Amino acid sequence: QLQLQESGPGLVKPSETLSLTCTVSGDSISSSTSYWGWIRQSPGKGLEWIGSIYSSGSTYYNPSLKSRVTISVDTSKNQFSLKLSSVSAADTAVYYCARPRGRVADEFEYWGQGTLVTVSS
Amino acid sequence: QSVLTQPPSTSGTPGQRVTISCSGSASNIGNNNVNWYQQVPGTAPKLLIYSNHQRPSGVPDRFSGSKSGTSASLAISGLRSEDEADYYCASWDDSLNVVFGGGTKLTVL
Repeated sequence: QLQLQESGPGLVKPSETLSLTCTVSGDSISSSTSYWGWIRQSPGKGLEWIGSIYSSGSTYYNPSLKSRVTISVDTSKNQFSLKLSSVSAADTAVYYCARPRGRVADEFEYWGQGTLVTVSS
Repeated sequence: QSVLTQPPSTSGTPGQRVTISCSGSASNIGNNNVNWYQQVPGTAPKLLIYSNHQRPSGVPDRFSGSKSGTSASLAISGLRSEDEADYYCASWDDSLNVVFGGGTKLTVL
C-alpha cells in the first residue's frame, strides 16, 4: 500500500529557505508514471496547491509561488522534495505531499499526514 | 481569494440531502474534470469524488458529484453526523496548475 511521509524542520526563519522531503513507500518513484505533488494549508484556511513533478522530471508550479519553488526527485532514496525560498509568515502552513490516483495531475488520492512549518524568528 | 468559488458553510440534519456548489471558469471546470475532497479537521484531505462523478473505492454512494458548464456540485444524501467536515472542490486549470475552492464547512445539526 502506498504511503507518503513528510519530514523537515518545523521552524524556519523569515527570508530563509523551507526544505521538506516526502518519503514514498509502496511504490517506486523511478518506475512509476505518476505525478508527485505538494499542497499546503495555512492555519484556518483552505488548500493551496504548490506544485507537482512528473516521474519524467517535468515540473508544474502554482503561478503565485513559481519564483520561489523548486520540486525535485531523488530516485535513489525514493523521495521527492520541496524547496520554498525567501519565506515569510504567510508561508506558515501544514505542508502535505500527495500522489494522484492515476496518470493525471490532480486527483490526489494518497496523502501524507502533513507537517506543520512555522515561519518565525 | 480562491480560483474556484464555494459557499463558506452549509448545514443539514441527519437523513437530509445537502448540496455544495463549486463555480469556476472555462479554463478550469469548463475544460477539465472536477474532484472533491473531504477533510476532517486535523487530518489530511480524502479524495471523495474524481472525474466529476466517480467515487474511489470505499466511498459510500451517498456521495455524488456532477458538473455542468463551469460549475460543479457535490451532493450528500442520508446525511450522517460523521459527514461533518470541510469539503473542497478542485480542478486542473489550462494554465497548467491545480486550483482549489475555498472550502465549505458542513455542519450536521
